[in-house]
Amino acid sequence: GDSVTQMEGPVTLSEEAFLTINCTYTATGYPSLFWYVQYPGEGLQLLLKATKADDKGSNKGFEATYRKETTSFHLEKGSVQVSDSAVYFCALGPRGNEKLTFGTGTRLTIIP
Amino acid sequence: GAVVSQHPSRVICKSGTSVKIECRSLDFQATTMFWYRQFPKQSLMLMATSNEGSKATYEQGVEKDKFLINHASLTLSTLTVTSAHPEDSSFYICSAKNQGTGYEQYFGPGTRLTVT
Repeated sequence: GDSVTQMEGPVTLSEEAFLTINCTYTATGYPSLFWYVQYPGEGLQLLLKATKADDKGSNKGFEATYRKETTSFHLEKGSVQVSDSAVYFCALGPRGNEKLTFGTGTRLTIIP
Repeated sequence: GAVVSQHPSRVICKSGTSVKIECRSLDFQATTMFWYRQFPKQSLMLMATSNEGSKATYEQGVEKDKFLINHASLTLSTLTVTSAHPEDSSFYICSAKNQGTGYEQYFGPGTRLTVT
């Protein structure tokens, strides 16, 4: 079945550091890929998405590129802020299927 | 826009009782809603897909008689945990799919259920 493997956290970085959170997936067909973010006390919010190979999703300074050859969708940000502290989830949604398969989440803490 | 609310945000109930959790799409119509369960430090596990006006589709291993789902309108789905036991204690999250926006789902803030 489909699965998503995410790097384990927690991850602690200093403000303005470079961020990478790794995500790889296993799926049949050609899924869409997503990153969701969950701020403390809030629901998951869609951060960015990519629907086909080589697409780059971007939002709020975060980027992720759909790499079919390595089945990866790593999340990156060049300079993190304290406000980026949250839990980040990688997910996939197979085409024609609305079900989302999530990774285990990575807790990110940014210290001033 | 695209706000999903859940009520209650926290609930404590005694073992053997039932508890109902509501999921509402506040500013859009949702023909499909999803119910997830999140264990501490673990991922979201899809429990069931709720379609307005029809029976929910449960994932393998989820007891449909224990987790009753009703999606009576385009803006409301309910999850009732019947005869709750301590092992049902968890964080329950719903999401709603906005008609016509592709794969994007909008998530509620979650409900923390504690069964004593």
